[in-house]
Amino acid sequence: AQTVTQSQPEMSVQEAETVTLSCTYDTSESNYYLFWYKQPPSRQMILVIRQEAYKQQNATENRFSVNFQKAAKSFSLKISDSQLGDTAMYFCAFGSWGAGSYQLTFGKGTKLSVIP
Amino acid sequence: DGGITQSPKYLFRKEGQNVTLSCEQNLNHDAMYWYRQDPGQGLRLIYYSQIVNDFQKGDIAEGYSVSREKKESFPLTVTSAQKNPTAFYLCASSIGSSNEQFFGPGTRLTVL
Repeated sequence: AQTVTQSQPEMSVQEAETVTLSCTYDTSESNYYLFWYKQPPSRQMILVIRQEAYKQQNATENRFSVNFQKAAKSFSLKISDSQLGDTAMYFCAFGSWGAGSYQLTFGKGTKLSVIP
Repeated sequence: DGGITQSPKYLFRKEGQNVTLSCEQNLNHDAMYWYRQDPGQGLRLIYYSQIVNDFQKGDIAEGYSVSREKKESFPLTVTSAQKNPTAFYLCASSIGSSNEQFFGPGTRLTVL
């Protein structure tokens, strides 16, 4: 079974600064995906960024980028130029195929507060 | 607009009653999922369905039941056997070949 660990329950960052959220995972599989989801106060889950394990290049989406270290099983999220709208819970998730189905395993989340 | 809808947004239930949460999608996705979210617990998988008329138990299926009679619909019933049903429930869907899951807005269930 896969496990996903987010070691930072809460973090804060000044507006316009950069913050990095940590995520580690444990798996014996070689083919998988990793995701970061954002859950703002509205509680709507929104995909922020995803990374295919077979790709060495780190994924980027505008102000969001990841540092994917496959050997270390680490998948951190960097948010640049933080904005007030980035205030949310952030969940790291591991996705893989098993027993004929595709499933996601989520970490417990990091609550990020952007301070004006 | 394509998307996933969940209803109701808030639901109150008396102890001992069954209650059904609705989840509908018009994305033409094959797979659908139900998650439970508790404070400090992240999301935990209750049930999932890869195809119509077929579904599988997730990590915390006890006290819950589902059906998948139509591709667009995947209702979740919280039965009286669920010991602690108060939680936020999220429905999601995905295309079989895509690994991204799209989420509905959620239903907050409170047992009185």
